[in-house]
Amino acid sequence: EAGVTQFPSHSVIEKGQTVTLRCDPISGHDNLYWYRRVMGKEIKFLLHFVKESKQDESGMPNNRFLAERTGGTYSTLKVQPAELEDSGVYFCASSQDKGRETQYFGPGTRLLVL
Amino acid sequence: GNSVTQMEGPVTLSEEAFLTINCTYTATGYPSLFWYVQYPGEGLQLLLKATKADDKGSNKGFEATYRKETTSFHLEKGSVQVSDSAVYFCALSDRSGYALNFGKGTSLLVTP
Repeated sequence: EAGVTQFPSHSVIEKGQTVTLRCDPISGHDNLYWYRRVMGKEIKFLLHFVKESKQDESGMPNNRFLAERTGGTYSTLKVQPAELEDSGVYFCASSQDKGRETQYFGPGTRLLVL
Repeated sequence: GNSVTQMEGPVTLSEEAFLTINCTYTATGYPSLFWYVQYPGEGLQLLLKATKADDKGSNKGFEATYRKETTSFHLEKGSVQVSDSAVYFCALSDRSGYALNFGKGTSLLVTP
């Protein structure tokens, strides 16, 4: 069974540009989560989808970030326009059920904004 | 709000040494507690978990006991191997939410 996959693995962009990150969860997992780790800080929750609906987006830092999950399968996270402080590693995770169920993580996308 | 504090790294040990990585938490209610591990070049993997007080999670020789009285979930291993070199993250998930709250991570390097 394939795990959670993320694309691209690395992205280097200039301030003001747009970047779109993609996450493919484990097949059949209704729950999809985005997290971010800024250098030297904790991994922080961004948002949670249940199928195609946003269950919790309390961690989204500002309106430059837009997450979608059309059709309830893969998800995209767009940053527009990117700022220097957006640099970090963006992780996606999925789980079959909510709450205390194990979340399975992807390898992350390393974003560097210059 | 919820928070997790874990010991700062990096931690460097010789092979077969005893490992302890401290983790304490602040949370309302009765959270579930997790240790995740990130090996070089890979994503986060669940190492072990405990869902209620006094539970012991264990996997691959690692153990951690959910201590409600000290709000702790320290990770231990009796004899580390070079292959255990990785970054270890302590995390919690509270009863009402789905989000995981992570500590900053502890980098472990095991030398031959």
